[in-house]
Amino acid sequence: GQQVMQIPQYQHVQEGEDFTTYCNSSTTLSNIQWYKQRPGGHPVFLIQLVKSGEVKKQKRLTFQFGEAKKNSSLHITATQTTDVGTYFCAGNPNTGFQKLVFGTGTRLLVSP
Amino acid sequence: GAGVSQSPRYKVTKRGQDVALRCDPISGHVSLYWYRQALGQGPEFLTYFNYEAQQDKSGLPNDRFSAERPEGSISTLTIQRTEQRDSAMYRCASSLGTAPYEQYFGPGTRLTVT
Repeated sequence: GQQVMQIPQYQHVQEGEDFTTYCNSSTTLSNIQWYKQRPGGHPVFLIQLVKSGEVKKQKRLTFQFGEAKKNSSLHITATQTTDVGTYFCAGNPNTGFQKLVFGTGTRLLVSP
Repeated sequence: GAGVSQSPRYKVTKRGQDVALRCDPISGHVSLYWYRQALGQGPEFLTYFNYEAQQDKSGLPNDRFSAERPEGSISTLTIQRTEQRDSAMYRCASSLGTAPYEQYFGPGTRLTVT
């Protein structure tokens, strides 16, 4: 079946450093979403990318969707302690369907 | 308004018992999804509904698992004859419409089978 892998599994940074997580799907995706899950919390939607090569920014967060629509990345500039959590990408493998396949997640820890 | 709610928040049951997990989506949300999340892993799709129609149940692990949403609002995920391997966080999410929309997750039900 379809797999969505994320690297790294875990990253520990000092506050102010940048952070990037990469998401790779075994199959082409019609769109990709990103979610953040704080420790003990539930996934919270961050953004959705639909077009090949799309780039979106939210303040310090930059999201990219690959040209082949099989990979994506999330980059955080100048991390803050509030960025702590696990970041999941989630892909919709078939246009018109709603099943989301979540990635394996990247856990981010930020030290002050 | 209120978010997605789930009940119970915690459920401890003995192996072999049946359990019913409830999800109350955001009012007016057409689509409702069930996921299972193991510790340290991403949510694993189980099934979803548009209104009262179950559209995809390909993620249900076996026939002990079933779900319903009879009136297109509240949904129940039922696990019959529970086994220890069923222990996990069960999450419900809802979205305003059909794909592709952001999903709003509930707090989850932590199920422990002893």
